[in-house]
Amino acid sequence: AAGVIQSPRHLIKEKRETATLKCYPIPRHDTVYWYQQGPGQDPQFLISFYEKMQSDKGSIPDRFSAQQFSDYHSELNMSSLELGDSALYFCASSYISGGPTDTQYFGPGTRLTVL
Amino acid sequence: GNSVTQMEGPVTLSEEAFLTINCTYTATGYPSLFWYVQYPGEGLQLLLKATKADDKGSNKGFEATYRKETTSFHLEKGSVQVSDSAVYFCALGNTGFQKLVFGTGTRLLVSP
Repeated sequence: AAGVIQSPRHLIKEKRETATLKCYPIPRHDTVYWYQQGPGQDPQFLISFYEKMQSDKGSIPDRFSAQQFSDYHSELNMSSLELGDSALYFCASSYISGGPTDTQYFGPGTRLTVL
Repeated sequence: GNSVTQMEGPVTLSEEAFLTINCTYTATGYPSLFWYVQYPGEGLQLLLKATKADDKGSNKGFEATYRKETTSFHLEKGSVQVSDSAVYFCALGNTGFQKLVFGTGTRLLVSP
């Protein structure tokens, strides 16, 4: 079965540079979520999109922005990178049916290292 | 707000031992509960889920029962294998497209 695709898998940037992370949800999934996982920590919710509209926002820095496109893929744009942004960034997707929480399926993550 | 508390690890077991990883939660409404597993260097994989009280989720020999009276969702396996070594995350989510709230994760180490 098709899974969530994230690219790139690894990214190395310098401080103050910008980075763009991409997420391709499972086909027919209409909702995308972004999470950040620091070393040895649990994933923290950043932001989500449903049908191309922002549906929820968590602890996402103002330096970060994201959007969902017409083909449902999503991009997380990160500017003025700081050392503390080094983390594993997960994308998850789900299909919202209106019932109980629809399961979020996670991609393999993008490991961002800021030097 | 919603929160999840997991037992701290690492949990170290010998192969074929019984596993319990405790998870309790605080939530408004009627959340769904999940266990995700993260193998070294990999992403999060859904292990099992339960969407209402008294539901039992099960997969690959792992089980967890949604206990509303004790606000718990403990993960159990009767006989662990070396290949079960990973970090296990308990998580909850409310209806619709709301974020998942994770526990801090419990590292399981299984030795031969």
